[in-house]
Amino acid sequence: DVKVTQSSRYLVKRTGEKVFLECVQDMDHENMFWYRQDPGLGLRLIYFSYDVKMKEKGDIPEGYSVSREKKERFSLILESASTNQTSMYLCASSFGQGDLLGNQPQHFGDGTRLSIL
Amino acid sequence: LAKTTQPISMDSYEGQEVNITCSHNNIATNDYITWYQQFPSQGPRFIIQGYKTKVTNEVASLFIPADRKSSTLSLPRVSLSDTAVYYCLVVIYNQGGKLIFGQGTELSVKP
Repeated sequence: DVKVTQSSRYLVKRTGEKVFLECVQDMDHENMFWYRQDPGLGLRLIYFSYDVKMKEKGDIPEGYSVSREKKERFSLILESASTNQTSMYLCASSFGQGDLLGNQPQHFGDGTRLSIL
Repeated sequence: LAKTTQPISMDSYEGQEVNITCSHNNIATNDYITWYQQFPSQGPRFIIQGYKTKVTNEVASLFIPADRKSSTLSLPRVSLSDTAVYYCLVVIYNQGGKLIFGQGTELSVKP
């Protein structure tokens, strides 16, 4: 069974800090995604990656960056955390290999609840 | 601006069939429509996906009309454990091939 592991379930940081959220998947998936989930807004895509060192902006990339140095690991970086980045962050992965992005089921981690004080 | 629309919440009783509809315009021609289920403190979990007409698996059915402007997730004979939030996911290309989740439908199943 696919396992997507996010490094922390809960994280508290201060405004202006650089924050790293880590995600690891164990199924050799090509695609990896970062979402944020807010009440009333559902899930919104921040960034995704379809291969090592490749990245694409999602709906709300402002204030975030990502890194994918190895196939199994996808990191989300808040360069200078702000209070409006307090949210639940979800990582996902899916099989790729040239298939259309929406055609492979995504497998999600259980999320990191990030609070910026 | 293209987006998806789902009911915010629905109530049902055990044993009933529940239908949740997601409206979506300008979706990509070749991409599937996918539905996910999410329990509190967990990530979403894949339920079903389809391209058109009807798809059925062991937990749900998915109905997609020919124009693909909507999709309906059907849960037969729900139980208390089906209480969750349900999301549709589509690809909308007039926003640059963006994956768009619906805002989610909170289903509450009562005894």
